[in-house]
Amino acid sequence: EAQVTQNPRYLITVTGKKLTVTCSQNMNHEYMSWYRQDPGLGLRQIYYSMNVEVTDKGDVPEGYKVSRKEKRNFPLILESPSPNQTSLYFCASRTGTGGYGYTFGSGTRLTVV
Amino acid sequence: EDQVTQSPEALRLQEGESSSLNCSYTVSGLRGLFWYRQDPGKGPEFLFTLYSAGEEKEKERLKATLTKKESFLHITAPKPEDSATYLCAVLDWGKFQFGAGTQVVVTP
Repeated sequence: EAQVTQNPRYLITVTGKKLTVTCSQNMNHEYMSWYRQDPGLGLRQIYYSMNVEVTDKGDVPEGYKVSRKEKRNFPLILESPSPNQTSLYFCASRTGTGGYGYTFGSGTRLTVV
Repeated sequence: EDQVTQSPEALRLQEGESSSLNCSYTVSGLRGLFWYRQDPGKGPEFLFTLYSAGEEKEKERLKATLTKKESFLHITAPKPEDSATYLCAVLDWGKFQFGAGTQVVVTP
């Protein structure tokens, strides 16, 4: 089944403790992206990647890191999480050819205390 | 500045009461307009892609249309299971932008 898989689904952590949210897609998509979703603010793009080793900042990149060493994986790293990073996070992927939309993962609900 | 604006923010419908959601956009080079459905706590689920003005797509009780400046998502005779947030997004040359969404509640 074609899908975007992100883990974990739920995560509670403490301020300052480094964490990684994993994302993997099995559709051979070139583009991958991370979004956060907060009530009243909609989906905001954190980082995106156009292909292996090519990443760029989205609208809200502060406090986040990403890497794209393999085409299928695009982990999101929070080196020193803070409470304002408590949010619902989505990973998504899409093909780079044609005007196709993103396929989304099921989400990771992160709480930083 | 490129923008995607959805209206209304929220919509409450009686079962069977048809209505339309609006997505207006200002982008320099539209490569596609997308409609998604999102249930609470879940990832957006793809519904439609529209590429050019005049295009229409249908799926069950949903029909999406596109003009040069806006798209409409028509919900015909909605059922309670159509309750969700509907998101539109546009892809222009290099950037994928989402609107804030319309929350639809359909009551029996």
